[in-house]
Amino acid sequence: DGGITQSPKYLFRKEGQNVTLSCEQNLNHDAMYWYRQDPGQGLRLIYYSQIVNDFQKGDIAEGYSVSREKKESFPLTVTSAQKNPTAFYLCASSRRTNQPQHFGDGTRLSIL
Amino acid sequence: AQSVSQHNHHVILSEAASLELGCNYSYGGTVNLFWYVQYPGQHLQLLLKYFSGDPLVKGIKGFEAEFIKSKFSFNLRKPSVQWSDTAEYFCAVSHLRDSNYQLIWGAGTKLIIKP
Repeated sequence: DGGITQSPKYLFRKEGQNVTLSCEQNLNHDAMYWYRQDPGQGLRLIYYSQIVNDFQKGDIAEGYSVSREKKESFPLTVTSAQKNPTAFYLCASSRRTNQPQHFGDGTRLSIL
Repeated sequence: AQSVSQHNHHVILSEAASLELGCNYSYGGTVNLFWYVQYPGQHLQLLLKYFSGDPLVKGIKGFEAEFIKSKFSFNLRKPSVQWSDTAEYFCAVSHLRDSNYQLIWGAGTKLIIKP
């Protein structure tokens, strides 16, 4: 079955530590996205990528970094500069940026 | 800044009641409109979308939405809800900005259906 796989499902970070969230898709989609979901705030865009080796900042990119070396992979690194990283992180993909997005099951990040 | 407003954060209904969830957006140009649903323990999935044509669009599970351009609205409706409709519903609006499509999300509405 085609879809999006996010791992891990739960992640704990120590103060001052960088952590990387994985996102893989086998839908052959060009565009991929990372969102942060906080209670009562909907989804906020962190980064997105329209094609391989290209990505743009979203509304809340500070403290995060991404790479897009392969079409199917779009990992997100939460750096120590992100002061409030506790949240639910969703990865999505779409054929193009104006098309419906398909979502993974998410990663819940907590601070130890 | 562009925004999407969902008027109700929580809605509680009894089975067989009619449902209408409001969605308004602030962008004045051409838009694509979406409703997504997240059932408990599942990932977000597309419920329905509007790109062009008939402003009344039908989605999965008996849901429909009407695009009213003059009111900047895209309200979601279902004539008779079921317990299985308990979920969180998100409205999203896509518009062109700097040659890229930007998707703006509403805050979501949690719907609880009492059996």
